[in-house]
Amino acid sequence: NAGVMQNPRHLVRRRGQEARLRCSPMKGHSHVYWYRQLPEEGLKFMVYLQKENIIDESGMPKERFSAEFPKEGPSILRIQQVVRGDSAAYFCASSPVAGTGALSGYTFGSGTRLTVV
Amino acid sequence: DQQVKQNSPSLSVQEGRISILNCDYTNSMFDYFLWYKKYPAEGPTFLISISSIKDKNEDGRFTVFLNKSAKHLSLHIVPSQPGDSAVYFCAIYNTDKLIFGTGTRLQVFP
Repeated sequence: NAGVMQNPRHLVRRRGQEARLRCSPMKGHSHVYWYRQLPEEGLKFMVYLQKENIIDESGMPKERFSAEFPKEGPSILRIQQVVRGDSAAYFCASSPVAGTGALSGYTFGSGTRLTVV
Repeated sequence: DQQVKQNSPSLSVQEGRISILNCDYTNSMFDYFLWYKKYPAEGPTFLISISSIKDKNEDGRFTVFLNKSAKHLSLHIVPSQPGDSAVYFCAIYNTDKLIFGTGTRLQVFP
């Protein structure tokens, strides 16, 4: 019973390149959430997706960032033309239905550590 | 702008003693509060939660207290063990989003 799987674990990109981060939710989970943790800070919500739908993207930067969760396959967080300030740990979480995070929390993956050089 | 504050960046406690981690929030409309534990290079792990209709919730060695009038919650770990050494984040659930504090690094020494 695999948990939330994220890959790659570590990703190094040069400024201006694209970064693609993948997240496979737990089996039976159709809700995915992306969070970003900058150095010495807490996790910040980025986007909430269900299969083929973006539910809430209020935490996504307006430019260069996009997310999808297709009918088949993992959720993808895409960062175009990366800059040094994008260096962070990106975590994905999943839940079986909406609202379960209130008392049971969400299950998080181990994260992708993006370094922009 | 910070809705959830953990004012102590670090805490050091002797094994067997009580660890108390604190968290303050700004919006009295929040209903659900959670604590997560995080080890280096891993994702956060859910620990315990409490709803606003309660003022205390226990799970083994972990107890969360909620003081709504002070907008303050705390996590008590008794007795503390070396394996509890990690970063602890309080979080507030708000319409499918978790709002995290900046974390407190707990070190439990023998």
